[in-house]
Amino acid sequence: AQRVTQPEKLLSVFKGAPVELKCNYSYSGSPELFWYVQYSRQRLQLLLRHISRESIKGFTADLNKGETSFHLKKPFAQEEDSAMYYCALSRLGGATNKLIFGTGTLLAVQP
Amino acid sequence: DAGVTQSPTHLIKTRGQQVTLRCSPKSGHDTVSWYQQALGQGPQFIFQYYEEEERQRGNFPDRFSGHQFPNYSSELNVNALLLGDSALYLCASSLLTSQNIQYFGAGTRLSVL
Repeated sequence: AQRVTQPEKLLSVFKGAPVELKCNYSYSGSPELFWYVQYSRQRLQLLLRHISRESIKGFTADLNKGETSFHLKKPFAQEEDSAMYYCALSRLGGATNKLIFGTGTLLAVQP
Repeated sequence: DAGVTQSPTHLIKTRGQQVTLRCSPKSGHDTVSWYQQALGQGPQFIFQYYEEEERQRGNFPDRFSGHQFPNYSSELNVNALLLGDSALYLCASSLLTSQNIQYFGAGTRLSVL
């Protein structure tokens, strides 16, 4: 079965604290993993993808194939990071493929 | 570039009616995908169109159908609406060869009464 699991519906941290949003997946084949973010009253937008190996807005995520995880991390949370975060996967390579999303985690950064 | 645009923003229908949602892709994109997002859930893939053909389809009944026009814009049609069809419908556009980079519209909120 193809599935993305985000175990936390809500994660509340204080400004300056480290953040880790968890994502586990189940996929038969070679997956490509993504994190999408939705700020209040804005559309869903791509934050990062595992094949780029970039750090965007201080966030990083490493694909762990052994643990089938793709956790999103940031060492020091900022209030502007408060948003809904979705982990998603697709088939790696070739043409554009469907995205399979998790249920999302709402990150609330307290001042 | 306005990005991906969807219309209408909100829609209220009654059970049994039919609805058509519209999407204009980002300039230069040739592929349109549709997703349904129920309250408290992540987006769920409905189908994808490329070169005016349905290329991929998710686990949705035949009541959900679509179309892509020569200018790459797309429509999502839902027949015989059910209460459970109430959701945010998202359109995403991409270049088929862009290896999974999809850009989302703001969505159409459909309420079925």
